[in-house]
Amino acid sequence: NAGVTQTPKFQVLKTGQSMTLQCAQDMNHEYMSWYRQDPGMGLRLIHYSVGAGITDQGEVPNGYNVSRSTTEDFPLRLLSAAPSQTSVYFCASSETDINEKLFFGSGTQLSVL
Amino acid sequence: RKEVEQDPGPFNVPEGATVAFNCTYSNSASQSFFWYRQDCRKEPKLLMSVYSSGNEDGRFTAQLNRASQYISLLIRDSKLSDSATYLCAVNRVSSASKIIFGSGTRLSIRP
Repeated sequence: NAGVTQTPKFQVLKTGQSMTLQCAQDMNHEYMSWYRQDPGMGLRLIHYSVGAGITDQGEVPNGYNVSRSTTEDFPLRLLSAAPSQTSVYFCASSETDINEKLFFGSGTQLSVL
Repeated sequence: RKEVEQDPGPFNVPEGATVAFNCTYSNSASQSFFWYRQDCRKEPKLLMSVYSSGNEDGRFTAQLNRASQYISLLIRDSKLSDSATYLCAVNRVSSASKIIFGSGTRLSIRP
């Protein structure tokens, strides 16, 4: 059972470039979310989805887009990367939005130069 | 004021000691509470949920104090392997559930 799979593990971008962070889960979880983790800031919610076709903004959504076309996949798109988006990104899922025990992917370390 | 606050530490305690740390939350309507453990450069993993009646899992005990709006984690007979960052998480009650994390408390167990 793979759980939550994130790719890539590391990425370096130049300012202005765009990219997509991939997230897939094989647990048939309805709820998926993206967090970023910065030193001293903890995990901050970027976007989340309560099911296929439904997404909503978290605490820090600016500069990011998401879509949820299938239950399994929840990609995060950086539209025009900025140095302020240098961070570690975690995708997480849970069975439903009521059962809020989160399972995390292994993270993507992103540097924007 | 942050919605969920933790003492960042580090807590540096000898092996075998008992250590406890708290996490305060500001939304009195919050309903779900969790402790996660995060090792260096790894993803957070659920350690335990926190129930109103308190709960225990081996050497770990979690408590909820709704009146004072904090949760606590107690680790007894600490092991070197307990060294990690401990994150508390609280749900934000709104139109949809959002889990808000504290910044984490760093624990270091010395031999």
